[in-house]
Amino acid sequence: DIQMTQSPSSLSASVGDRVTIRCRASQSIRSYLNWYQQKPGEAPKVLIYAVSTLQSGVPSRFSGSGSGTDFTLTISALQPEDFATYYCQQSYSIPRTFGHGTKVEIK
Amino acid sequence: QVQLQESGPGLVKPSGTLSLTCAVSGGSIVSSNWWSWVRQPPGKGLEWIGEVFHSGSTKYNPSLKSRVTISVDKSKNQFSLNLTSVTAADTAIYYCARDRVATVVYDDTFDVWGQGTLVTVSS
Repeated sequence: DIQMTQSPSSLSASVGDRVTIRCRASQSIRSYLNWYQQKPGEAPKVLIYAVSTLQSGVPSRFSGSGSGTDFTLTISALQPEDFATYYCQQSYSIPRTFGHGTKVEIK
Repeated sequence: QVQLQESGPGLVKPSGTLSLTCAVSGGSIVSSNWWSWVRQPPGKGLEWIGEVFHSGSTKYNPSLKSRVTISVDKSKNQFSLNLTSVTAADTAIYYCARDRVATVVYDDTFDVWGQGTLVTVSS
């Protein structure tokens, strides 16, 4: 199985801050990397697919980058509705695997 | 717009079988997409269980493969999950999701999710 390692596991930030979340795959996954946002009591929601393509309706303050094994999700200016848990996920091979999540909390 | 809705018992006895159904509305299950099950133990992360194509082809997580069956019912536009020999470790929120496999390279993502259903394994 491909292991997905996210860092940090949690962070505290203020509205307006720039936030960066990292995700490392245990082997190359080319560009088969997706990012999801999950709020308490809700299902995950896809933000970014194929490393850097914004899902329809997702604000442009979200961006993704990387290739191979190292990837980054950036929120350029954190908004109140962005406080949530974020997961990376690889779709390169079976089984599909997720990172353990990064919880973004209010500072 | 495609929507997914899980249904099934919220309580299953240890050693029993967990059975859930996901109804697909707003679109046909006969498409280029795969149809997945993902679970999340309370307060923990996401685990992919497996998926099915409308033809009946399946892919499973090796960690669960011996206990899992995912099937499709095209006439009812739904797909189902059976998980046998359950233990407390199988207590989780179970989500069904569409695994979109688009024509664009590298686009393979869970783009539509059900609301999730909590299944508790307890006597």
